[in-house]
Parts: sequence; C-alpha cells; structure tokens
Amino acid sequence: DQQVKQNSPSLSVQEGRISILNCDYTNSMFDYFLWYKKYPAEGPTFLISISSIKDKNEDGRFTVFLNKSAKHLSLHIVPSQPGDSAVYFCAASARDDKIIFGKGTRLHILP
Amino acid sequence: DAGITQSPRHKVTETGTPVTLRCHQTENHRYMYWYRQDPGHGLRLIHYSYGVKDTDKGEVSDGYSVSRSKTEDFLLTLESATSSQTSVYFCAISESKGGYQPQHFGDGTRLSIL
Repeated sequence: DQQVKQNSPSLSVQEGRISILNCDYTNSMFDYFLWYKKYPAEGPTFLISISSIKDKNEDGRFTVFLNKSAKHLSLHIVPSQPGDSAVYFCAASARDDKIIFGKGTRLHILP
Repeated sequence: DAGITQSPRHKVTETGTPVTLRCHQTENHRYMYWYRQDPGHGLRLIHYSYGVKDTDKGEVSDGYSVSRSKTEDFLLTLESATSSQTSVYFCAISESKGGYQPQHFGDGTRLSIL
C-alpha cells in the first residue's frame, strides 16, 4: 500500500515557465514532508522540506505547498532552468519514524 | 556535501554468490540506511541502523543482512545473490530518524546479478 504517491511518472516544461510537481499521501500521521532531486548516476540530494504546521515554504526558486485537508503537497519551480531536469522524489515521515519515499517524477526542461 | 562513500560503485556477479556493499561516513551521524532504487518503485528501505550493533528491518529486507560494528561503517550483505536483487543501492545517513533532519545520500552502487 503506497503511502506516498507521485502519480505523474514524467513531466515536460518549457524553460522559463513554472514546473509543478505533485504528491499525495494517505497517512494522516505524517508531519514532515521533503523533496529530493536526483541526477543520473548520483544519489538523491535534499531540496526543500515543510512541517505540517506550515502550508508553504520557500527557498529561492523552489516553493513547497502543503494542503493537509487534501493530503496533498506540491513543489513549484519558478522559473524552470535546464539544470532542473532530474527525477524528483516526494517523501514523508511521521514523528521520528522512517521516511517514506514516493516513486519519483522525471522532470524534463525543454529549451 | 555530506561525507558518504559507497564501495564498490559498480559490481557484476553471478547468482548464488555472496556480495557485500560498504557505506562509510565521516559525519559521525547516528542513523544509517540502505535503500534500493528500481524502475517503478522509487526508493525502498532495506535496513537501517540507529547505532553501533543496532539495526532494524525496512520494507524490503528479505535476502539482505546488515552489520554496523563502527559508527562510520554500515555493511549490506546479500548472502546468496539472486537476479531480483539487481538494482542500484543507496546508503544514506542522518542525525535523527524522522524527516526533521533530512537524510543525505551516497552516490550509489550499481549491482548486476547475472
């Protein structure tokens, strides 16, 4: 049973436009959410996180939005750049428990 | 970058042979994890450690064992490798267990079982 779902395996976005990656979760006990970025032949790198007490967190071009009632979070990248082409993993954890990862979304930034 | 080294980076071996992957950290973090990444499955936790000699199972632990005799080293062993264990294996470390302290990953080991 997938607790963290990324329903779009891939996404293509024009350079300079906004990229929106979506993630849904089922466990209402999750209280911390993270996004990781992964390039080929490298390990995932932490990108941005959000606590369940917030509904938005920004870091430069990256913003994560959390909608607890819908059990949904999204990552916005504005403006999208070629270096943003990667696989993005959504992840969640519940109070000192293990982090659960989604299956990932491959983002392609088109020139 | 977090000081995490995985070895070997690539390995090809035959079904039925034992395989050991090593993860070495220089950050003195308490928690260490082994994940595997497969197409269509994302990152799945195999085993993790919360201290020297303290380990626990993850989501896909069957066929794998781990050991942690020193803070800095976490070993993953496939006692008798099978083709279904062909995967990319990632080690991760963190200061605490939950998401409050993000995990940092090594660059992975690509393992092929023929």
